[in-house]
Amino acid sequence: KQEVTQIPAALSVPEGENLVLNCSFTDSAIYNLQWFRQDPGKGLTSLLLIQSSQREQTSGRLNASLDKSSGRSTLYIAASQPGDSATYLCAVIYNQGGKLIFGQGTELSVKP
Amino acid sequence: AAGVIQSPRHLIKEKRETATLKCYPIPRHDTVYWYQQGPGQDPQFLISFYEKMQSDKGSIPDRFSAQQFSDYHSELNMSSLELGDSALYFCASSLGGLGLPPGADTQYFGPGTRLTVL
Repeated sequence: KQEVTQIPAALSVPEGENLVLNCSFTDSAIYNLQWFRQDPGKGLTSLLLIQSSQREQTSGRLNASLDKSSGRSTLYIAASQPGDSATYLCAVIYNQGGKLIFGQGTELSVKP
Repeated sequence: AAGVIQSPRHLIKEKRETATLKCYPIPRHDTVYWYQQGPGQDPQFLISFYEKMQSDKGSIPDRFSAQQFSDYHSELNMSSLELGDSALYFCASSLGGLGLPPGADTQYFGPGTRLTVL
């Protein structure tokens, strides 16, 4: 069964700290992987897309890495800010149809 | 920049009623996806369309149907509504043209339709 797991489920850090969110997937034959941010009761905002042939992507203070062989991806957030507080979701595509399989998310709280 | 538009944003229905959710993808995007997110749950894939043809199907109940029209907008029709259908329904779009398969490009999500079944 193709599953996506995110650890930890919740994380609280002081402002300014660098942090890493983890995502693991059971089947390494992924097509690509996408990280999203979701604010409470709101839609999903795409953060980064990593193709299966890539090892990392960067956007501003965010850096996502992909290790297909170990079935893992990490989202690194530098110099965290209170505005980064949200739930971060990892999602994997296994075929060209584009169906996203989501992890349960990591709820991040950045304290001022 | 234009985003994915969903309507209505909120919908309240009684059990056994029907509902129609609409999705307008980002201009030039030819692929539409529907997801259902229950309270405290991660989004679950329902169905997708590429160039007006169904491209993939997930755990969508037989009571639900969907289609993509010639202008690429999509509608999700839900009949015989049940209490368990109460959820946030998201539509996402991506660009699958220019030789790219539907899953290659970033999926951009709409704000969602919150459906409450009483």
